[in-house]
Amino acid sequence: DQQVKQNSPSLSVQEGRISILNCDYTNSMFDYFLWYKKYPAEGPTFLISISSIKDKNEDGRFTVFLNKSAKHLSLHIVPSQPGDSAVYFCAASARVSSNTGKLIFGQGTTLQVKP
Amino acid sequence: EPEVTQTPSHQVTQMGQEVILRCVPISNHLYFYWYRQILGQKVEFLVSFYNNEISEKSEIFDDQFSVERPDGSNFTLKIRSTKLEDSAMYFCASTAQALGQPQHFGDGTRLSIL
Repeated sequence: DQQVKQNSPSLSVQEGRISILNCDYTNSMFDYFLWYKKYPAEGPTFLISISSIKDKNEDGRFTVFLNKSAKHLSLHIVPSQPGDSAVYFCAASARVSSNTGKLIFGQGTTLQVKP
Repeated sequence: EPEVTQTPSHQVTQMGQEVILRCVPISNHLYFYWYRQILGQKVEFLVSFYNNEISEKSEIFDDQFSVERPDGSNFTLKIRSTKLEDSAMYFCASTAQALGQPQHFGDGTRLSIL
């Protein structure tokens, strides 16, 4: 089941630069998208979300962009900091097919921010 | 900030034994979930729970699995007869609303089946 895909297993950026993490989905019923950050030995921590009625949501250094026609979303982190180094998961839920809010996750992208 | 807590952090069990994983969701949340992540794989949905009953379960959640909210605070996942392939990280999550609100996750229980 590959409904949510993160095609880049890893990404390395320099401190202060922009990090762009990408996520693609196949289910057109998805209407709520989230990004989680995960450190080793911890659970996923919610970062930012976006509803399908929007194309952009911003929270401090984090911005999520949604392109519904391309079934693509991205997370921008500006400026990147060494403490941002973690695994980032994209997740989605579909109101129509499941009103329980279950999340479908991507495989994750490991971000390394170098000082 | 309120958080989801899970115990134990690591559970080692012999194959065939029963195991109970425990979670305390955030106090004003109404929707509860279990997910698991096998090493090197995706985080997968197992089950959702609302109003004291299962609202949805995945194919993984077979008759060996059960969930319970025995009191006003705990939410448990029981595996009746563990198999080697049950070895994984198990995450509990909760949210105030099923739709349009983020789920908040605990730090997980690492389950190792020998």
